Amino acid sequence: KNQVEQSPQSLIILEGKNCTLQCNYTVSPFSNLRWYKQDTGRGPVSLTIMTFSENTKSNGRYTATLDADTKQSSLHITASQLSDSASYICVVSAGNMLTFGGGTRLMVKP
Amino acid sequence: GAVVSQHPSWVICKSGTSVKIECRSLDFQATTMFWYRQFPKQSLMLMATSNEGSKATYEQGVEKDKFLINHASLTLSTLTVTSAHPEDSSFYICSAKYYGYTFGSGTRLTVV
Repeated sequence: KNQVEQSPQSLIILEGKNCTLQCNYTVSPFSNLRWYKQDTGRGPVSLTIMTFSENTKSNGRYTATLDADTKQSSLHITASQLSDSASYICVVSAGNMLTFGGGTRLMVKP
Repeated sequence: GAVVSQHPSWVICKSGTSVKIECRSLDFQATTMFWYRQFPKQSLMLMATSNEGSKATYEQGVEKDKFLINHASLTLSTLTVTSAHPEDSSFYICSAKYYGYTFGSGTRLTVV
């Protein structure tokens, strides 16, 4: 059964600090892995997408890594801002089938 | 970039009535769109895959007679919640595939 597990479930950090979110998956056959940011009451917005051959991808202060051997990905947020408060969802594709992680709820406090 | 517009962003309806939610791809054609449901503090759950010009494919446990999906054009898919009940209250999100999956902004449905 395809599964995507994210940790931690929730996280509180102070503004300006860095943080790293984790995503472990058992999805086969693997197509790609995406990280999305979802603000409360809004739809998810794509941050990064990585294929099997890519092990890092950056989008501003967001840097995603992928280890296809261990089936792990991380999303690192640098110099956090209050606007980074949101849920971050890891989504792994197997062909046209998406498997969603449960998300990490991040709260950035001043 | 690809934009998916979803309307309305929120709706309140009386129990027993029907509600239609629209999902439009603004700058691309989408032969396939997806409808999701999301409960508070949970991730998205796929309800159905909407295929232009043909019947939608529903996930196991989703009542196709209750959640009617129409994908009559390459830029529009609609989800109609028929005879809505309070337990149908949720956040509904659509998405379309265009060099990746783009999501609509979601619709908060409250059935009173």
